[in-house]
Amino acid sequence: QQQVKQSPQSLIVQKGGISIINCAYENTAFDYFPWYQQFPGKGPALLIAIRPDVSEKKEGRFTISFNKSAKQFSLHIMDSQPGDSATYFCAASGNSGGYQKVTFGIGTKLQVIP
Amino acid sequence: ETGVTQSPTHLIKTRGQQVTLRCSSQSGHNTVSWYQQALGQGPQFIFQYYREEENGRGNFPPRFSGLQFPNYSSELNVNALELDDSALYLCASIRTGSTDTQYFGPGTRLTVL
Repeated sequence: QQQVKQSPQSLIVQKGGISIINCAYENTAFDYFPWYQQFPGKGPALLIAIRPDVSEKKEGRFTISFNKSAKQFSLHIMDSQPGDSATYFCAASGNSGGYQKVTFGIGTKLQVIP
Repeated sequence: ETGVTQSPTHLIKTRGQQVTLRCSSQSGHNTVSWYQQALGQGPQFIFQYYREEENGRGNFPPRFSGLQFPNYSSELNVNALELDDSALYLCASIRTGSTDTQYFGPGTRLTVL
């Protein structure tokens, strides 16, 4: 059962454009929603995260929009740059029997072309 | 850099063999999780250790086991390797007092032939 659904699986954006990646979750017990960025040969690195008590969080060019009632959240990358080309994972975590279990989406491979 | 290191970087084994992967996290990070990331997929949670005891496990068989040591290092052991075990194995540590932010290592690429 895929508890976190992520789309699209691949995305090509022109330099300077907006990249948008969407995720949906099923488990209402999730209480923390991070986004990770992964470059080839590297482990995932935390990019930005949000809790369900706010609807939006912005850090530099990266913004998370969160819709609790729809159980959806999205990552917006403004003014996308070639250096943003990477794979992005959304994730959701919540307490599961005494530990914080993290469930990842399938990932979105972003390519920003000059 | 996250301060989390893993060894080896790459590993090739044959079906039926056993493998041990190692992870070293930062001082003060007494929770470590291990993930399996198949090609083109997101990381899948294997298990988590807190103060040297397993306190959470994903949908992986018992041939996946682990250890955590007092010096903030940990191991993932996989017995009776299968072809489908070929993947990137990631460890992630969590700072004491925090329950959310995970710091990932670069991973170990395991190939099972």
